[in-house]
Amino acid sequence: EAGVAQSPRYKIIEKRQSVAFWCNPISGHATLYWYQQILGQGPKLLIQFQNNGVVDDSQLPKDRFSAERLKGVDSTLKIQPAKLEDSAVYLCASSGGTDNTGELFFGEGSRLTVL
Amino acid sequence: AQSVSQHNHHVILSEAASLELGCNYSYGGTVNLFWYVQYPGQHLQLLLKYFSGDPLVKGIKGFEAEFIKSKFSFNLRKPSVQWSDTAEYFCAVIDNYGQNFVFGPGTRLSVLP
Repeated sequence: EAGVAQSPRYKIIEKRQSVAFWCNPISGHATLYWYQQILGQGPKLLIQFQNNGVVDDSQLPKDRFSAERLKGVDSTLKIQPAKLEDSAVYLCASSGGTDNTGELFFGEGSRLTVL
Repeated sequence: AQSVSQHNHHVILSEAASLELGCNYSYGGTVNLFWYVQYPGQHLQLLLKYFSGDPLVKGIKGFEAEFIKSKFSFNLRKPSVQWSDTAEYFCAVIDNYGQNFVFGPGTRLSVLP
């Protein structure tokens, strides 16, 4: 079974530039999550999708972050404009499927450095 | 909203020492509990999980955890650690509705050879 795919793995940008991350969840997983993990901290939920609808985006800084999950499969997370404090690893995870146990399956993450 | 706390920020042990990492959560309803591990340079991986039944759950690589409902705790244990257990360990909780998957701040474990 293929895992959660994310790209790019690494991205370096200057502040005020924009960046987009892409995630392809495990096939059949209805729930998709984006987390932000700052160095030395636990993952913080940014947004949770159930199919193509948003379940929770209460911690998403909506003035600069946006996310979409068209057709309920792939998802993109965009940051525009980026700030220095956005430097972090952006994790995508999915859950669901026929034997849904609530377990989250994570991708490798996209490491963002904002200069 | 639920929250998760982990007792130790950084734990340093020698090989063969016993390990216990504390985890407490705050949520009044039914929860599912997880421990995830993140080895250096790798993605988060599931160590073990608890949904119901026997409160003592066994995971991969000799880890186990005990759910104590009255204490809102889900501590991780391993009787004898190895150098390869050096990693970051995260406790996580999700409510029974499948929402609000929350991670603790993590505990960094360093095992000295």
